[in-house]
Amino acid sequence: SQTIHQWPATLVQPVGSPLSLECTVEGTSNPNLYWYRQAAGRGLQLLFYSVGIGQISSEVPQNLSASRPQDRQFILSSKKLLLSDSGFYLCAWSRGSREQFFGPGTRLTVL
Amino acid sequence: GENVEQHPSTLSVQEGDSAVIKCTYSDSASNYFPWYKQELGKGPQLIIDIRSNVGEKKDQRIAVTLNKTAKHFSLHITETQPEDSAVYFCAASPTSSGTYKYIFGTGTRLKVLA
Repeated sequence: SQTIHQWPATLVQPVGSPLSLECTVEGTSNPNLYWYRQAAGRGLQLLFYSVGIGQISSEVPQNLSASRPQDRQFILSSKKLLLSDSGFYLCAWSRGSREQFFGPGTRLTVL
Repeated sequence: GENVEQHPSTLSVQEGDSAVIKCTYSDSASNYFPWYKQELGKGPQLIIDIRSNVGEKKDQRIAVTLNKTAKHFSLHITETQPEDSAVYFCAASPTSSGTYKYIFGTGTRLKVLA
C-alpha cells in the first residue's frame, strides 16, 4: 500500500531564516506531487505541483520554491522566511486516478 | 478564475441528525468532485468523490449529489455521530488541468453534539 510522509511535523523558525520541508511517498512510482498551504481556519491553497523529477510548476508567486530531486521526494524551501509564511503545509500525491492523498502535514510558525 | 464556494462555514447538529454541506463551482468543465474530512492537526482524508457522469453516490452514511446544470454538489451525512466532528472540504477538478489540480472550498466545521 502507498504511504506518504512529511517531516518535520512542527517547526518554529525566526523571520529571515531558511526553510526545508520534505515529503516522500512509498509504494508507488512516478506520482504527481503537490504542496499546499493551509492558513488558520482557511482552505487549501495549491503552491506547487510536479509531474516528474525536476519538473515543478508554481501556482502562486511567493518566496517559496520546490524541488523534486528523486521520483518520490518533494521538497519545499525558502531562503528567507516571512511572518506570512506561517501555516500548515500539506504534501499530496496522485497517480493515474483522480484521487489526491494527503500527508500528515507540517505546522510552521514563523516568529 | 476558477472558484469553489462552500456553505455553511460552521454547522452544529445533534447526534443522530443529518448534516448537509453545499458547494458551487464556476468552471463548467470540471468533472471530478472529491470531499475530504480533516481532523484537528491532521492531513485531509478523502471520504467520497463523484464524477460528472453520475448524479449521486452513496457510501454507508455518506452521500454526495451533483447537479451539473446548476454547478453545485452537496455532501450528506446521515445519523451523525460525535466522531463525524471535523472540518470538511469540497473540491472541483477542472478538466483542463491535466495534472488533476483541485480548487478547494473554504471548509465547513461540523460539530456533532452528543
